[in-house]
Order: sequence, then C-alpha cells, then structure tokens
Amino acid sequence: GENVEQHPSTLSVQEGDSAVIKCTYSDSASNYFPWYKQELGKRPQLIIDIRSNVGEKKDQRIAVTLNKTAKHFSLHITETQPEDSAVYFCAATSSNTGNQFYFGTGTSLTVIP
Amino acid sequence: GAVVSQHPSRVICKSGTSVKIECRSLDFQATTMFWYRQFPKQSLMLMATSNEGSKATYEQGVEKDKFLINHASLTLSTLTVTSAHPEDSSFYICSARDLTGGGEKLFFGSGTQLSVL
Repeated sequence: GENVEQHPSTLSVQEGDSAVIKCTYSDSASNYFPWYKQELGKRPQLIIDIRSNVGEKKDQRIAVTLNKTAKHFSLHITETQPEDSAVYFCAATSSNTGNQFYFGTGTSLTVIP
Repeated sequence: GAVVSQHPSRVICKSGTSVKIECRSLDFQATTMFWYRQFPKQSLMLMATSNEGSKATYEQGVEKDKFLINHASLTLSTLTVTSAHPEDSSFYICSARDLTGGGEKLFFGSGTQLSVL
C-alpha cells in the first residue's frame, strides 16, 4: 500500500514569511495529491490539489509542486498571515480506481504576528 | 465544494451504551464513504471504508463488531460505536469522495467528538 511521510511536524514562521511543507509517497500509481487545512476541532478543508500530469499549481498565496520522479510534493504558503495557523495534511491517492486516501502525519503551522 | 454533513457534533454517553453517528453527502451521491478516528494533535486514522449496498472494509486492528457501519443509501453512512468504553473517546470524522464530472475530491464531515464516561 501507499506510505505518505510529511515534514516538518511543527513549523513556526513570522508573519509575512513563507512556509514550506514537504511530503513523500511510495506508490508510483498515486496520481492525485490534495492538501487539507484543519483548524482545531474543525473538519479538514481542501485548500489545493494537484494531479500527476502537472508539476505545479498556484492559487493566490498557496502553491503546490510535484516531482513524480522523486515521489515528493510540497505546499508553499507565501506572505503568511496569523489565520494561516492550523494543521496541514497532505494526502495521496489513485483516482483511477477510487481508492482510499493516504494521509501524512500533519504539520502544525504557527504564524507569529 | 461539495457538502458532507455529520451528526451529532458532540456526544457524551455512559460506558456500555451505543452511539450512532450519521454522515450524509448533501449535494452529491457517494458510493464510498470513509470513517476516520483522530486523536488530539494527530493525523487521521482510517478505520473503515463504507460501501453502498455492501459490507464495509475495515482496517487492520479495527473491530468490526464494535464499530458497525451501514451504508444503506447513496447519501448516508452510519457508524455505530457499540458498548462504548472510555477508551473509545475520540474525534470521529467521515468523508466522501465526489466523483461528479470525473472529479476525485474528498470532502469531510464536521466530525463528532465522543466522550464516554
């Protein structure tokens, strides 16, 4: 099965700085990689996703990059704001067969005002 | 995005009682739903995959007789924690995959905080 690793587990940045979270996966059949943001006691919210036929995707201050060869993908948040503070999870799945999603262990991001 | 509704949001019950949690996809049909358990400051632990009209698939180590899953329709899956004990206290969260239009996005319910006294 798929194994997703996520680093770092905690990350503190000054407001306005950038934050980068990295994930690796093991199954070359995985072709869809979403990122979720979870605030305390709330549901994970999909913030950005990328398919394996794309190397980079950007949505305002958030971007995701994917290196299929190396089997790793990263979340980049620029100009961080205090409201970006949350736990972020990466995930990998093979969308072709509707398989389950495999989640990373999460990164607790704190943006210091 | 698609909406997944989960109820109740919080349950406090006595040890030995059973608790039912409902997960509904409100604006799409979900042949497959997933049930997770999440401990404080930890990741989502997949418990089982709920399949409409058939038996659920449980992850290793999850007791199927303790965590009963029913997926009787394309928009509703239920998780029943039977004979709950304090160690079952946790945050339970469901999710459903929206395959509408060939998409593959996964959306989560709002979670249920279960406290067993």
